[in-house]
Amino acid sequence: GQQVMQIPQYQHVQEGEDFTTYCNSSTTLSNIQWYKQRPGGHPVFLIQLVKSGEVKKQKRLTFQFGEAKKNSSLHITATQTTDVGTYFCAPPWGSSNTGKLIFGQGTTLQVKP
Amino acid sequence: DAGITQSPRHKVTETGTPVTLRCHQTENHRYMYWYRQDPGHGLRLIHYSYGVKDTDKGEVSDGYSVSRSKTEDFLLTLESATSSQTSVYFCAISRTDDNSPLHFGNGTRLTVT
Repeated sequence: GQQVMQIPQYQHVQEGEDFTTYCNSSTTLSNIQWYKQRPGGHPVFLIQLVKSGEVKKQKRLTFQFGEAKKNSSLHITATQTTDVGTYFCAPPWGSSNTGKLIFGQGTTLQVKP
Repeated sequence: DAGITQSPRHKVTETGTPVTLRCHQTENHRYMYWYRQDPGHGLRLIHYSYGVKDTDKGEVSDGYSVSRSKTEDFLLTLESATSSQTSVYFCAISRTDDNSPLHFGNGTRLTVT
């Protein structure tokens, strides 16, 4: 079945260091969304990527969609303690358009001040 | 945050008892989803709804049923709770089926003893 692998599962960084999480799919994706979940909170939408090779930036966050549309990455420059949380990639699930998403296992980021 | 209310927020129940979780939205969104979140598994789709009385199964639907008699309410029922259904349950809504972002409720923490 459809699978999405996200690596690493955990990442501990010193404040100010960079961080990257990778999302890999076994199938070609029409698009991919990214979410952030703070400890004890609920997932919150960050961004959606649609085009092959697309790169989008939100302040210190850079999102990329691979040329083959099978992988994606989120890079955070100069992490801050406010970046702590779990980051999920989420492509559509299945072929029908019902808004269903399949979520990667997530990468949990810890930032040491 | 989108107007999504999940109830109850916490529940402890015994194995074999029925449990119903409620998701209420004030956004008049057509699509509603139930996900469960467990360590190491990310979020997994249980059931979803694409309209009143229109529901379908997700990735992990065994042991769960849903109902949607009104646009604003989506109920998740565990007919006979098992310990493997101990989890955090999130309801989500989306405006359309064209890969609109999901907006999540605050979650229900369910413990089955």
